[in-house]
Amino acid sequence: GAGVSQTPSNKVTEKGKYVELRCDPISGHTALYWYRQSLGQGPEFLIYFQGTGAADDSGLPNDRFFAVRPEGSVSTLKIQRTERGDSAVYLCASSPRDSAYNEQFFGPGTRLTVL
Amino acid sequence: GENVEQHPSTLSVQEGDSAVIKCTYSDSASNYFPWYKQELGKRPQLIIDIRSNVGEKKDQRIAVTLNKTAKHFSLHITETQPEDSAVYFCAATNQAGTALIFGKGTTLSVSS
Repeated sequence: GAGVSQTPSNKVTEKGKYVELRCDPISGHTALYWYRQSLGQGPEFLIYFQGTGAADDSGLPNDRFFAVRPEGSVSTLKIQRTERGDSAVYLCASSPRDSAYNEQFFGPGTRLTVL
Repeated sequence: GENVEQHPSTLSVQEGDSAVIKCTYSDSASNYFPWYKQELGKRPQLIIDIRSNVGEKKDQRIAVTLNKTAKHFSLHITETQPEDSAVYFCAATNQAGTALIFGKGTTLSVSS
């Protein structure tokens, strides 16, 4: 079956602009996670959704970052007033069960470059 | 805060040798420990995981051991092959069970 997909695969933007990154989880997966991966580092947790609600957003670095999952499927990560330090690969993962005690299936990521 | 330390950062072995990667975690409440393999430019993929009620788990050439008292776990790959070359990440659940905390990764190179 289809895995987790993310669009766009690459996004180049200018400092100060607004960007939206989309994640399509595996059908039927109730849990959805966003991570950020900088070069040479492991994925860093941003936010976790159970269904439509954000169960844990403690990883969002500041209030420029926001994510939604209005229908409990597709999720969008929104970044306002982008900064060069936001450049990274943004990974989405989904899981068939709620809680992080289960396998997470990752998408291919969106590489964000802020000039 | 919660932290996962991973060593070594790079590991080079000859084909057929064994490779061992070690991780320590800080939160005693962690009870799920997956290992992910990430090839260059690709997504992370789960290769093996272990839960806190088990001390060891094996899947063909790959095994993971867990020592909850010492808060460390290790990945063992035997009979390494060139296709095992990749970056390997260990992870542990955070205290709330809502996220994985990843190590910084180990770049494994297997030369033939």
